[in-house]
Amino acid sequence: NAGVTQTPKFQVLKTGQSMTLQCAQDMNHNSMYWYRQDPGMGLRLIYYSASEGTTDKGEVPNGYNVSRLNKREFSLRLESAAPSQTSVYFCASSETSGYTFGSGTRLTVV
Amino acid sequence: GDSVTQMEGPVTLSEEAFLTINCTYTATGYPSLFWYVQYPGEGLQLLLKATKADDKGSNKGFEATYRKETTSFHLEKGSVQVSDSAVYFCALSGGFSGGFKTIFGAGTRLFVKA
Repeated sequence: NAGVTQTPKFQVLKTGQSMTLQCAQDMNHNSMYWYRQDPGMGLRLIYYSASEGTTDKGEVPNGYNVSRLNKREFSLRLESAAPSQTSVYFCASSETSGYTFGSGTRLTVV
Repeated sequence: GDSVTQMEGPVTLSEEAFLTINCTYTATGYPSLFWYVQYPGEGLQLLLKATKADDKGSNKGFEATYRKETTSFHLEKGSVQVSDSAVYFCALSGGFSGGFKTIFGAGTRLFVKA
């Protein structure tokens, strides 16, 4: 089925470890996004990519980096994980008809 | 800048009750308005949308009308089911401030009791 695929679904990291969250979409959308969702905080935009080759900071970019590898793939990297980065991370893609979200990555940093 | 305000939850209803979740927005320009739904353990899914004033979006028995005069986009359903229990997010995009990015409300959790 067409959509947004995120990997992994679950991850536990130790403080200071690094990891990359992967995201791929097969809908030929230009725009892709990374959000984090925390209880009581709603969705907060981390980074976005309006089109292949461009990336921009969102509301909460500190501690993260992104790569728009090609039109399909948009990865999120945590270079040195901190407990404050414990969250559920969602990737999304869009054209004008609204967003399509992945199923999320639940990350715990201990 | 552009913003979305929706009623705080949780909202608790009995099965077959009428549902209203209020949403108001602030935006310059001509934004599109959306409702998304998030079921437990899943990502958000687009529920319905409206792209201009007086448009009505509808899906799965849910409806919302784009009211420019009151800057509102309230979500309604005539008879809720237990399976409608989820978190509902109002959102807008295309305003002059936010551009193509979507601005989400904080979400309203709905519980439906059998």
